[in-house]
Order: sequence, then structure tokens, then C-alpha cells
Amino acid sequence: DQQVKQNSPSLSVQEGRISILNCDYTNSMFDYFLWYKKYPAEGPTFLISISSIKDKNEDGRFTVFLNKSAKHLSLHIVPSQPGDSAVYFCAAVGEIIFGKGTRLHILP
Amino acid sequence: DVKVTQSSRYLVKRTGEKVFLECVQDMDHENMFWYRQDPGLGLRLIYFSYDVKMKEKGDIPEGYSVSREKKERFSLILESASTNQTSMYLCASIVSSGGRASNEKLFFGSGTQLSVL
Repeated sequence: DQQVKQNSPSLSVQEGRISILNCDYTNSMFDYFLWYKKYPAEGPTFLISISSIKDKNEDGRFTVFLNKSAKHLSLHIVPSQPGDSAVYFCAAVGEIIFGKGTRLHILP
Repeated sequence: DVKVTQSSRYLVKRTGEKVFLECVQDMDHENMFWYRQDPGLGLRLIYFSYDVKMKEKGDIPEGYSVSREKKERFSLILESASTNQTSMYLCASIVSSGGRASNEKLFFGSGTQLSVL
């Protein structure tokens, strides 16, 4: 059973607009969440994280929101840029468990 | 900056061959991991190691083994490669000891794209 779910395998967003990537989890014991970004033929790179004691963390164009009651987190990218086209993985830490990823396409 | 180095970016092997994937990290991390990434399946943990000569099975260990003789090096071994092991393999490390992970980020290597024909 998947403990971390990214239900959208793919997402297309116009350049300049907001990209919203979603992630749901089932285990309320997770205490830390991370987002990774992966380009083809490269390893994932860390993007942004959030502790379960917070509901928002912002870093430049990237903001992660955490809704503990809904066991849901989302990554917002504003404004979206062509270089943001990649696969984004959500990960939950207690043990590290990854979602299946969302491929983001930024359309010019 | 932490560096996790995987020795090969691309490998092509034949069914039945023994395959070694090497990973080296330069930051004295205790924990090292091997994942495979497949389209639609995300990152799946194969094996991890929390100390020299220590290893634990991840979610999909079948068909794989690992070796951790030195702290900085974690090898993934395919004893007899099969076509369903064609995948992108990713090595990662993390600094803290105790358990599979903690509140710190994993550092990944660049990946090895393995094709088994």
C-alpha cells in the first residue's frame, strides 16, 4: 500500500503561471517532508522541505504547504519557468518514502 | 559540498551477466542507499546500509545484493542480470546514523542507466 501518493503523473502549465504539484500521505507519524526535482539522466536534487510543525515554507519561487489534518502537501512554483520542466518527487520522512513522481511540463 | 559519485552513467549488459554498480561518497556519511527509478513507479528502495558491512533489504531486493566493505563505498550487484532489471539506478547517502533516515536530505548520485539485453 502506497504511503505517499502523487496522483498526477503529468502536469502542463503555461510559462509565467503557477504550477501546483500535490502529494498525499497516509501515515500521520511522518514528521518531515521533502520535494526533489529530477531532470532526465540525472540524479534527483533536493528542492525544498517542510517540518510537520509548520504549515508553510518558502524559498524563492518555491513554496510548500502542509495540511496535516488532510495529510496533504503541495508544491507551488510561481512564476513557472521553462527550466522547471522536470519530474518532481515528494518524499516523507520517518523512513524515507517517495511518491511516484509528477512530470511537469512548462509550455512556452 | 557533498559528492556522491556513481562510476558509470550508462551500462549495457547481456542477460545472465553479473553486474556491479559502484557508488562512492566523500562526506563520511553513515547511511547509503540504492534506488531504482522506473517510469510510473517512482523511486523504489532496493537496499540500504547504515554502517560498514551492515545492510538491510529495501522494498524490492530480489535479484540484487550489496556490499559495503568501506564506509565511503556502497556497491550494488546483479548476480545474473535480467531484462526486467533495465532501469535507472540511483545511489544516495545521508549523514545521520540510526534508522533508515532522519530529518535531513538525501544526496543523490547522477544515476546509472542500465540496459539489459
